[in-house]
Amino acid sequence: GAVVSQHPSRVICKSGTSVKIECRSLDFQATTMFWYRQFPKQSLMLMATSNEGSKATYEQGVEKDKFLINHASLTLSTLTVTSAHPEDSSFYICSGGWETQYFGPGTRLLVL
Amino acid sequence: RKEVEQDPGPFNVPEGATVAFNCTYSNSASQSFFWYRQDCRKEPKLLMSVYSSGNEDGRFTAQLNRASQYISLLIRDSKLSDSATYLCVVNSDAGNMLTFGGGTRLMVKP
Repeated sequence: GAVVSQHPSRVICKSGTSVKIECRSLDFQATTMFWYRQFPKQSLMLMATSNEGSKATYEQGVEKDKFLINHASLTLSTLTVTSAHPEDSSFYICSGGWETQYFGPGTRLLVL
Repeated sequence: RKEVEQDPGPFNVPEGATVAFNCTYSNSASQSFFWYRQDCRKEPKLLMSVYSSGNEDGRFTAQLNRASQYISLLIRDSKLSDSATYLCVVNSDAGNMLTFGGGTRLMVKP
């Protein structure tokens, strides 16, 4: 299957700082990528759809000014958690693909 | 009502057992269906797509019933390594956006 990478795999930061997470499609081009968040013992929840060359589409309840998404190329989408707070601590996963979605390995964020 | 519903389990079964999971979806216009597997603290990985005619991949059999809007996954001869959370996933629009069920946790014991 296709390969999607994410960086960093885990990050610990202080409350109030911003954290950038990168999602790369390594062997395919993705005009659309998706960002999910998963809290412990819960399912993946779609946060936003990242669109190459245009604005991201956010799901209801997800603050676009807090979760900044940039999809500047066909192989890279970034999610920046701005002014992170402890409640933002979660597992963030991206996906990309065509008929089938392939997931990155995820980024575990811990905000102290 | 959730768009995609699954029994969260856990299903505790002995090695070698046959276990079945069901999943229901609410959007009758849904077009594509998948089962993903997610291990603890890992990303979901595609287990198999689900086709209208039903499909089999080794010990795994998936079936789709569009009239009743449910999807099933059957695992035969369970292995310890099958222990994971199984996610029922539906693509409800023409794009690639997926809707996930809450997952069914399977624990296979010796």
